[in-house]
Amino acid sequence: DTGVSQDPRHKITKRGQNVTFRCDPISEHNRLYWYRQTLGQGPEFLTYFQNEAQLEKSRLLSDRFSAERPKGSFSTLEIQRTEQGDSAMYLCASSPRREAYGYTFGSGTRLTVV
Amino acid sequence: DAKTTQPPSMDCAEGRAANLPCNHSTISGNEYVYWYRQIHSQGPQYIIHGLKNNETNEMASLIITEDRKSSTLILPHATLRDTAVYYCIVRPNNNAGNMLTFGGGTRLMVKP
Repeated sequence: DTGVSQDPRHKITKRGQNVTFRCDPISEHNRLYWYRQTLGQGPEFLTYFQNEAQLEKSRLLSDRFSAERPKGSFSTLEIQRTEQGDSAMYLCASSPRREAYGYTFGSGTRLTVV
Repeated sequence: DAKTTQPPSMDCAEGRAANLPCNHSTISGNEYVYWYRQIHSQGPQYIIHGLKNNETNEMASLIITEDRKSSTLILPHATLRDTAVYYCIVRPNNNAGNMLTFGGGTRLMVKP
């Protein structure tokens, strides 16, 4: 296992378009998290899955954002009708139910909305 | 809301110890202190965590004061590759699935 994988690494889109990002967590991890990070700031929590159940959503996750983890393995984050303010790094992390070493983060997807 | 206060930036000479402070004066009895770092263009990386005892691993040492209101992350022999933003986070019981809440962190610059 090579850790948490995110795809794509970079995405440039025009305002108003829809985008979808994928996260493949470490295979034995049942918890999966999405975070957003803007330039110069720390990551901000967006949403959390335990297996396929989405257990928590931040108020940052507007109705244009939707996340899924259909079989409790990979997850997707979709942003509809993108806005320039959505430009950020989108980070995915995973952890086992019993955390010994914290979360493992992926390298992120950098979204630029033009 | 982040419950920690860290200096925004610090410098350290290569080969010397880097001591990164963190204040968490409102920490609760069941909250752990976690440290992560983020190297440019990468996701955050777990370093260490502790409840009240000092902890050491292959990356760093964590010193927590007796009243638990502050802690220090120590990188004993900093290298240029340790240049990163270091985040101190307090968080309840590490099996509860609670999310990490990041603050602004400390930008550590290791200089030759």
